[in-house]
Amino acid sequence: ETGVTQTPRHLVMGMTNKKSLKCEQHLGHNAMYWYKQSAKKPLELMFVYSLEERVENNSVPSRFSPECPNSSHLFLHLHTLQPEDSALYLCASSQTTSGGGTDTQYFGPGTRLTVL
Amino acid sequence: AQSVAQPEDQVNVAEGNPLTVKCTYSVSGNPYLFWYVQYPNRGLQFLLKYITGDNLVKGSYGFEAEFNKSQTSFHLKKPSALVSDSALYFCAVRDYLANTGFQKLVFGTGTRLLVSP
Repeated sequence: ETGVTQTPRHLVMGMTNKKSLKCEQHLGHNAMYWYKQSAKKPLELMFVYSLEERVENNSVPSRFSPECPNSSHLFLHLHTLQPEDSALYLCASSQTTSGGGTDTQYFGPGTRLTVL
Repeated sequence: AQSVAQPEDQVNVAEGNPLTVKCTYSVSGNPYLFWYVQYPNRGLQFLLKYITGDNLVKGSYGFEAEFNKSQTSFHLKKPSALVSDSALYFCAVRDYLANTGFQKLVFGTGTRLLVSP
């Protein structure tokens, strides 16, 4: 799991707080992803960045704001969250290829977020 | 859109016995299929993938998966289960983001594997 790291591992925040999740990949990949994992639900793709440009927003509420300053770092800025946003937030990275390539995604350990 | 289904929420097996975790897929075109494992309080770890070629794919930790086109299945298998294999297993299929051609993965709901001593 040292290929993709996430901090913090656990976060408890109130609904009025502002916090940020950080992801860093050490694999030399050019694409990064945020997923939300809630109990009894499939993984939900939130954001995709390829070559530091956002490719997919996937209809995520504006209280989640991603930032990708370079190909190795990805942030998820959180503000005025709701209790139903409590979940495990997973970051992943891959090396995208054009044409017929198949990108294997490598995941970080996740941040367990609890919104009170 | 591409999709996968994992029909079992949980699979129980005794240590030393063979295990199977089921996955079926629905795709247009050739499927590119993946298996991931998630241990408690950890992220997903890549196990193996099928792109083309041999229907039996070998992966990490002694796992393998069998691609069956006629049954549209991609079941995960291991000849002899270990207690340490107890985890959550996800099947996934490659799809494309609309209007971009960029690849993404679509995951199943996961199957919890419990291996008893």
